Parts: sequence; C-alpha cells; structure tokens
Amino acid sequence: EPEVTQTPSHQVTQMGQEVILRCVPISNHLYFYWYRQILGQKVEFLVSFYNNEISEKSEIFDDQFSVERPDGSNFTLKIRSTKLEDSAMYFCASTTGRTKNTEAFFGQGTRLTVV
Amino acid sequence: AQTVTQSQPEMSVQEAETVTLSCTYDTSESDYYLFWYKQPPSRQMILVIRQEAYKQQNATENRFSVNFQKAAKSFSLKISDSQLGDAAMYFCAYRAFPLNSGGSNYKLTFGKGTLLTVNP
Repeated sequence: EPEVTQTPSHQVTQMGQEVILRCVPISNHLYFYWYRQILGQKVEFLVSFYNNEISEKSEIFDDQFSVERPDGSNFTLKIRSTKLEDSAMYFCASTTGRTKNTEAFFGQGTRLTVV
Repeated sequence: AQTVTQSQPEMSVQEAETVTLSCTYDTSESDYYLFWYKQPPSRQMILVIRQEAYKQQNATENRFSVNFQKAAKSFSLKISDSQLGDAAMYFCAYRAFPLNSGGSNYKLTFGKGTLLTVNP
C-alpha cells in the first residue's frame, strides 16, 4: 500500500542551526501539507503546497519556515534558524486533490528536538 | 475560528468491551467533515472514520461508529469489541468547506487527542 514517508524519524539540532525535514508523498498526489505537534499540544496546520507554490499557511509559518519540492518526489520543510520552541513532531501529509471526498495520508512524523 | 475539543486526555477499556471517546467542535460553517484519526506507537496517523455534516446517518466502519449530533456540535467515536491493537492516541479533526472555496485546502483542525489503553 502506498504511504507517505518522512526522514529522519528523529532529529536533534542546536538552536540557531538550519534543519531540513524531508517527506516523500504518495506518487500520484498533488497537494502536500506540513503539520506540527508540540508535545502535549494539538496537531496544528502549518502550510499547504500545490503546483510548486504555497496555497495556504498559518500564522505559525513565519519567515523562518520554507517549503519546496526540489525534485519530483521530495517535499521539504526548512527551518532556517531553529528556536527551542520549534521542538515538536512534524507531520507531512498528501492528497490527490482537495475535494470533499479526498483523504489525507500522513507520514509517521519527524521528531525535532532543538537543544 | 474553528476549534475542536477532546475532554478526555486518557481512557481505558477492557478487551472486548465498548468505549466511547468524546469530541466537540465549534464552527460557523455549514458544510464540513469530521474525522477520527488513530495514531499508534508507530506514530503514523491513520484515518479511522469520517462524517460529512450534511449526512444525518452516523458513519460506521466495522467496529467503529460515530454519534454525530450536529445541533450540539458533538462527534463521539464508539469502539465496539475493543482489541489490543486499538490502543493508540485518537484525534478528532474538522475540515471546513467555505462557500465558493472550490474545496478549500485540506486544512484540518485537530483536538488534543485521547490516549486509549486497552487492558487484556
């Protein structure tokens, strides 16, 4: 069964460092998303991406964050200068479309720890 | 703004028994979907069941069913004949379809989750 895969499963980085989280969406999917979950908190929407551009972003997704699809398969989330409060689980998701019946498929997440 | 509230941080159930997980939401939209996602220790979020707001009939998927009370903005999940493999974090989520949005982005609003333990 096709699945969304995320690498690495756990990343530890020093505050101020850049980090790139990687996702490989399901191959025929066209819409891509990042969510994050701070420990003990809700899963929160960060950004959606379609046709090589951001289609919607939340207030969390500030200038420190960027996304891109550098090739035909990967979808990355970059945090330019990490802060302690960026420590969270980051989930990638993809969908074929955005109609009502579309189902989102999630990856297993990357746990980011900023020290 | 839409909010989703899960008031039970943890629940436990005996194997083969039935458990109900609660979820309430707040929205001013008329067209939306509600979801229950399961997140086992493997961390991958798996869709368990979904309900379209316009459908009065409660959704069912095998041992999983929902009690959707639109007026009360309540969406509970019932797991019948609980199995050890049902142990996981369960998230309630909401997705709106604003008028003229053409489907909108797949922006889900999640609750904080309920950790379900299944006792043998």
